[in-house]
Amino acid sequence: AQSVTQPDIHITVSEGASLELRCNYSYGATPYLFWYVQSPGQGLQLLLKYFSGDTLVQGIKGFEAEFKRSQSSFNLRKPSVHWSDAAEYFCAVGTSGGGADGLTFGKGTHLIIQP
Amino acid sequence: DTAVSQTPKYLVTQMGNDKSIKCEQNLGHDTMYWYKQDSKKFLKIMFSYNNKELIINETVPNRFSPKSPDKAHLNLHINSLELGDSAVYFCASSLSWGGTNYGYTFGSGTRLTVV
Repeated sequence: AQSVTQPDIHITVSEGASLELRCNYSYGATPYLFWYVQSPGQGLQLLLKYFSGDTLVQGIKGFEAEFKRSQSSFNLRKPSVHWSDAAEYFCAVGTSGGGADGLTFGKGTHLIIQP
Repeated sequence: DTAVSQTPKYLVTQMGNDKSIKCEQNLGHDTMYWYKQDSKKFLKIMFSYNNKELIINETVPNRFSPKSPDKAHLNLHINSLELGDSAVYFCASSLSWGGTNYGYTFGSGTRLTVV
């Protein structure tokens, strides 16, 4: 069975600083990887996804993520954060065999933006 | 033109009651899911439906029953509600099967509070 680890429960970053959120996955085959963001009281919004091909994936809101198979990682980055980026971020893995198994989520990283 | 819509957004009910949460998607997706997000924000899949068939059924109490009248709808019925059922429930859909997954779209969630 697949699993996802997000080592950082909370991260505090100053507005305008760069950001990296860590994600490690465990899955025996080629994973489908996702990053979602959840603002307070809101649903889940897809930031970006990796299925295959270029290991550097560009997403919405200026986010990008890099898939590193050797490290089983899919870290999320943003060069300069804005106060509106404060939210909960979830990394998730889906099986390459299809969508029936759904997504397995990490426990999330709570991002705090300091003025 | 909401892609995945859930109703109601908030639900407050007493222990022992029976309630339903409705979900509809207009994306033409072939698989739908229910996820539960607990008080620690952890997201876990409960059910998935593909072409009206239950694909997976995680270890949830049999008080929870998904019902899909057609491919665009997946409702969640909960009998004899307990305090521990209080959570946010997310509906999602995806277009996949046969080895290709095109990503997941989530609804905005239903916050269930059992008192």
